[in-house]
Amino acid sequence: EVRLKQSGAEVKKPGESLQISCQTSGYNFNNNWLAWVRQLPGKGPEWMGIIYPDDSDTRYSPSFQGQVTISADKSVSTAYLRWSSLKVSDTAMYYCARRHTIVTWEVLDSWGQGTLVTVSS
Amino acid sequence: DIQMTQSPSSLSASVGDRVTVTCRSSQSIANFLNWYHQKPGEAPKLLIYGASTLQSGAPSRFSGSGSGTEFSLTISSLQPEDFATYYCQQSYSNPFTFGPGTKVDIK
Repeated sequence: EVRLKQSGAEVKKPGESLQISCQTSGYNFNNNWLAWVRQLPGKGPEWMGIIYPDDSDTRYSPSFQGQVTISADKSVSTAYLRWSSLKVSDTAMYYCARRHTIVTWEVLDSWGQGTLVTVSS
Repeated sequence: DIQMTQSPSSLSASVGDRVTVTCRSSQSIANFLNWYHQKPGEAPKLLIYGASTLQSGAPSRFSGSGSGTEFSLTISSLQPEDFATYYCQQSYSNPFTFGPGTKVDIK
């Protein structure tokens, strides 16, 4: 069974750094793209970026380039999302999801449970 | 980035109703269109990919159609567990953008 387990909710102050994690199991972590998705309260999901753990090839959405860092540790089948300096506007739910290819179509077929990040002074 | 829009933004319907949600893309995406649904407090869940192929395990009352820039999701007979928010997503080019969602609630 494919499982993605995310780290717990975080409450931070503006300017602080943060790293959240997505621990995977049940599939070949190294050879599957893993995406991070942001969801602001009451809004649709936003594609932040994606990483291929085997070679750490990472692609960011232009909206998130330079704002976050996506990384992966193959030894523990875990992906990470990091902020160096949080803003109040980073308050959101963050999901990791496995990108899977079905024939020629790319889908997010397995999702973590989400990590709620709250940034407040 | 390819922009996705959905209509309506919300709708009220009764159990047993036939419901249709529309999704449009800012440029042609062939049939690289996925549908997800999301219930409060849960992650989105894949329903349909390739515009019209039902994901394994998804109920057959869901169907999708369309190609190019206009797509639709239809629920043939709304069930209580279908009250949720529905999102389309294009997988034609990175970043794989989502629509703003259509919330289906109980009339």
